[in-house]
Amino acid sequence: EDQVTQSPEALRLQEGESSSLNCSYTVSGLRGLFWYRQDPGKGPEFLFTLYSAGEEKEKERLKATLTKKESFLHITAPKPEDSATYLCATSNFGNEKLTFGTGTRLTIIP
Amino acid sequence: DADVTQTPRNRITKTGKRIMLECSQTKGHDRMYWYRQDPGLGLRLIYYSFDVKDINKGEISDGYSVSRQAQAKFSLSLESAIPNQTALYFCATSDQTSGGSTDTQYFGPGTRLTVL
Repeated sequence: EDQVTQSPEALRLQEGESSSLNCSYTVSGLRGLFWYRQDPGKGPEFLFTLYSAGEEKEKERLKATLTKKESFLHITAPKPEDSATYLCATSNFGNEKLTFGTGTRLTIIP
Repeated sequence: DADVTQTPRNRITKTGKRIMLECSQTKGHDRMYWYRQDPGLGLRLIYYSFDVKDINKGEISDGYSVSRQAQAKFSLSLESAIPNQTALYFCATSDQTSGGSTDTQYFGPGTRLTVL
């Protein structure tokens, strides 16, 4: 059974203080790893898909990286508007469905 | 206009009532999904449909049913609502017609359901 574990559960940073969120996964035949951003009371918003170890993708202050066991979402010089819950999910070649982690709640303090 | 819409956005109902949540999409995607989200449990798949004639159970389908009325419409029903079905419900879509290179799912804004 696929498993996705995110850490930490919650993270508070000062504005401008860079950090990383972790997503560890156990998947038989990784098809893709996905990062989403979710604001309170809203639907998850797609950020990135990574397909193979070594791949990196960037969007504004966010950069996602992938190894064979985990993915990191690096946030550089964050701003208060980056505050949200960040969700990680995986899909495998067997069933093409997404398995979600429980998320990291990120708070950026002005 | 939003690509994936859900109605209603909020609903309060009583135990035993039948409830229908609706999802419509203008993305032209063939696959649609229903999830529920509970604090600390993440998103869990209830049902999914790969096309109009294909309906599949997810990990927590008990107490729920679905209907795929058209490629763009996918409804979730709670036949007899109970309090532990209180949750946020999300519809999502994905497109597998472009060669299967991505499983990226796009989510609607959600429905907050409270069962008293």
